[in-house]
Amino acid sequence: GQNIDQPTEMTATEGAIVQINCTYQTSGFNGLFWYQQHAGEAPTFLSYNVLDGLEEKGRFSSFLSRSKGYSYLLLKELQMKDSASYLCAAMDSNYQLIWGAGTKLIIKP
Amino acid sequence: GAVVSQHPSRVICKSGTSVKIECRSLDFQATTMFWYRQFPKQSLMLMATSNEGSKATYEQGVEKDKFLINHASLTLSTLTVTSAHPEDSSFYICSARFQGTDTGELFFGEGSRLTVL
Repeated sequence: GQNIDQPTEMTATEGAIVQINCTYQTSGFNGLFWYQQHAGEAPTFLSYNVLDGLEEKGRFSSFLSRSKGYSYLLLKELQMKDSASYLCAAMDSNYQLIWGAGTKLIIKP
Repeated sequence: GAVVSQHPSRVICKSGTSVKIECRSLDFQATTMFWYRQFPKQSLMLMATSNEGSKATYEQGVEKDKFLINHASLTLSTLTVTSAHPEDSSFYICSARFQGTDTGELFFGEGSRLTVL
């Protein structure tokens, strides 16, 4: 079956760095997405990886290892506004997104 | 980035009535749009894939006669919840993908919160 695993909740301190991991199993693979979702709002796109390696975009970076079925989202210089849920989603061979349940990130001063 | 507009953002209706939600891609053409539903504290659940000019593809367990999807143009898809009941109360979100690419990023609408009394 198809499955996405990511931690339910993480806590980090303002100004610090946090890494949110995601493992996936899909029928075929056409890329891995990370989305940010604040409570009561729609998700916003953060990153897309289809090749192995690290993609850096400002304070956020995303890493993919296709052989391991593994990705992580790295957030640096954490700000209070980064408190949100982070959704990992893998695209299968039919171009359907398989969603994780999301990781709730709590930032403390 | 590209903009997807969803309307209305909030709607309250009586049980038994129908509600239409619109999803528009404002500055690009989208051959494919997706409709999701999200219950509180749960992840997004794909309801259906909407392709311009053809019938929508519904996920297992989603009633196509209850959730009518129309994708009449490259910039507009609509979701109509027919004969709504309180259990249909949820957050409905649409997303659109750039025309011409199957692996491009998705852009999401703002979401529509439906409350059925």
